[in-house]
Amino acid sequence: ETGVTQTPRHLVMGMTNKKSLKCEQHLGHNAMYWYKQSAKKPLELMFVYNFKEQTENNSVPSRFSPECPNSSHLFLHLHTLQPEDSALYLCASSLIANQPQHFGDGTRLSIL
Amino acid sequence: GIQVEQSPPDLILQEGANSTLRCNFSDSVNNLQWFHQNPWGQLINLFYIPSGTKQNGRLSATTVATERYSLLYISSSQTTDSGVYFCAASFPGGGADGLTFGKGTHLIIQP
Repeated sequence: ETGVTQTPRHLVMGMTNKKSLKCEQHLGHNAMYWYKQSAKKPLELMFVYNFKEQTENNSVPSRFSPECPNSSHLFLHLHTLQPEDSALYLCASSLIANQPQHFGDGTRLSIL
Repeated sequence: GIQVEQSPPDLILQEGANSTLRCNFSDSVNNLQWFHQNPWGQLINLFYIPSGTKQNGRLSATTVATERYSLLYISSSQTTDSGVYFCAASFPGGGADGLTFGKGTHLIIQP
């Protein structure tokens, strides 16, 4: 148990569906992150939130929409995704920026 | 751009062997971490080591920040050490608090 919980663990959706990924941390951290891991590629940073404010958007397409209602919760809203968006999506948190990041187990997303 | 490079890309060893994994980075860092990703995709935090040396059981790591590299040592390898080892770093002034990951070293420990 890393203290970072992601749901669901697996998700299959069609290109026209709308779904959301959820991340919750019980570590008292103030920074949260979304990463994407595609097959045969390094993990890529998507979004960074510090104290609920978005501080980084790494040129992510608008079909991915993050939301951070409080320091403990982070969502990734998905709509009209493409097959190339199939990947493992990992959430992480840290006490503050540049401190050790702790990762959840990820959501494995498949787009049909 | 900012780069994190790992070597070797693949490593196959017999159980009981020792190994050294290397991570080179292109700029000074304010965060450097080593992770182990198991076959189920779980990313396990091994070390937070922007500088200096740390040890945890059979694993140890050293970062020489002035020379922009970090090493991960695994001694007396076990089959459960198999998986992908990632080095990741964040850089001051890079505009991002998130980590830049290397491509990983795929380690296979054979019984």
